[in-house]
Amino acid sequence: KAGVTQTPRYLIKTRGQQVTLSCSPISGHRSVSWYQQTPGQGLQFLFEYFSETQRNKGNFPGRFSGRQFSNSRSEMNVSTLELGDSALYLCASSLVGDSRETQYFGPGTRLLVL
Amino acid sequence: GESVGLHLPTLSVQEGDNSIINCAYSNSASDYFIWYKQESGKGPQFIIDIRSNMDKRQGQRVTVLLNKTVKHLSLQIAATQPGDSAVYFCGSGGETSGSRLTFGEGTQLTVNP
Repeated sequence: KAGVTQTPRYLIKTRGQQVTLSCSPISGHRSVSWYQQTPGQGLQFLFEYFSETQRNKGNFPGRFSGRQFSNSRSEMNVSTLELGDSALYLCASSLVGDSRETQYFGPGTRLLVL
Repeated sequence: GESVGLHLPTLSVQEGDNSIINCAYSNSASDYFIWYKQESGKGPQFIIDIRSNMDKRQGQRVTVLLNKTVKHLSLQIAATQPGDSAVYFCGSGGETSGSRLTFGEGTQLTVNP
């Protein structure tokens, strides 16, 4: 069974631009969670989608948004990029998004904002 | 608020030794715990998980111990190998967490040959 895939793997943007990241979950998984990983803050939860609905949201500004499609693939968007948005963005999928089930991570998208 | 933390940011061991990585959590309602391994340039890889109705769970060369009294869990790696060198971090979740897991910052394990 193929794992979680994320595209693109690397991105370089400048301040003020916007970016869209994509995540394809493991086949059969309906929940997709997004995390931001930085050296100083560790893994920070962004949001979680299930059945095309955002069910849970972390403490990030409205510049961070996402969506999920009927095939469970998910995208996240960051508008008006800031230098501090430079990070590894990870998505994780699970069957139904219960916090007591295993989440499987993708390889991440490394975003550098200049 | 809920937090999960690791006791040591770095751990260096000799090849063949056993490694113990510790983690503390703050939310008493947490009832699910998970360990991930993250190698440089890669996404986190699931290692092992444990539910609060257990104190110990074993996998291949790994054991997770859970002490709910002091809200502490540990990951033990037997006969540590150079390929075990990575960042290890714990996560916790529970009914009150909804769909989200809370993660610690990680311990960098270095295995010396």
